[in-house]
Amino acid sequence: KQEVTQIPAALSVPEGENLVLNCSFTDSAIYNLQWFRQDPGKGLTSLLLIQSSQREQTSGRLNASLDKSSGRSTLYIAASQPGDSATYLCAVKEAGANNLFFGTGTRLTVIP
Amino acid sequence: EAQVTQNPRYLITVTGKKLTVTCSQNMNHEYMSWYRQDPGLGLRQIYYSMNVEVTDKGDVPEGYKVSRKEKRNFPLILESPSPNQTSLYFCASSWSGGAPKAFFGQGTRLTVV
Repeated sequence: KQEVTQIPAALSVPEGENLVLNCSFTDSAIYNLQWFRQDPGKGLTSLLLIQSSQREQTSGRLNASLDKSSGRSTLYIAASQPGDSATYLCAVKEAGANNLFFGTGTRLTVIP
Repeated sequence: EAQVTQNPRYLITVTGKKLTVTCSQNMNHEYMSWYRQDPGLGLRQIYYSMNVEVTDKGDVPEGYKVSRKEKRNFPLILESPSPNQTSLYFCASSWSGGAPKAFFGQGTRLTVV
């Protein structure tokens, strides 16, 4: 069964720093990988989705990479802002399956 | 505005009292699903539906029922809630099981005492 791990569980950085969040998965036969942001009381917001054939996706200050063979993805956030404070979740969708397997998330705090 | 709407947002109930959490999406998505989120366990899929009248079990279906009579609605039913079903529940939808971005509702925090 697919297992998704996110390390660290929590991270605090001063405003303006660049940072990397990590996600690893055990089965490389994935269809895609998605990064979400979770804010308290606001559910999950999709940030970036990488198809299995892609290596990276960019949106504004966010860049997500995927190394399927090693079972790893990173989310790079440039010039962090206090508004980036949230929990970030990664989720993988396996080929031939219908559900998403989620990691437990990294809680990010950006200190002004 | 494209959205997934869950109701209620917060619910406290007693063991054994049947309840329904509603989910509605306005994007004409075929695929809908329910997840529960628990500390240290992440989000786990309860049930999903590929289209109207087509539903199937996810990873943790025990104690839950769903129905998909209309494309836009996918209610989650707890026939006899128990304290171990205390959790944060999310409904999600997308164009199809294999397609990009899933859209999530704001969550329903359920407490069973």
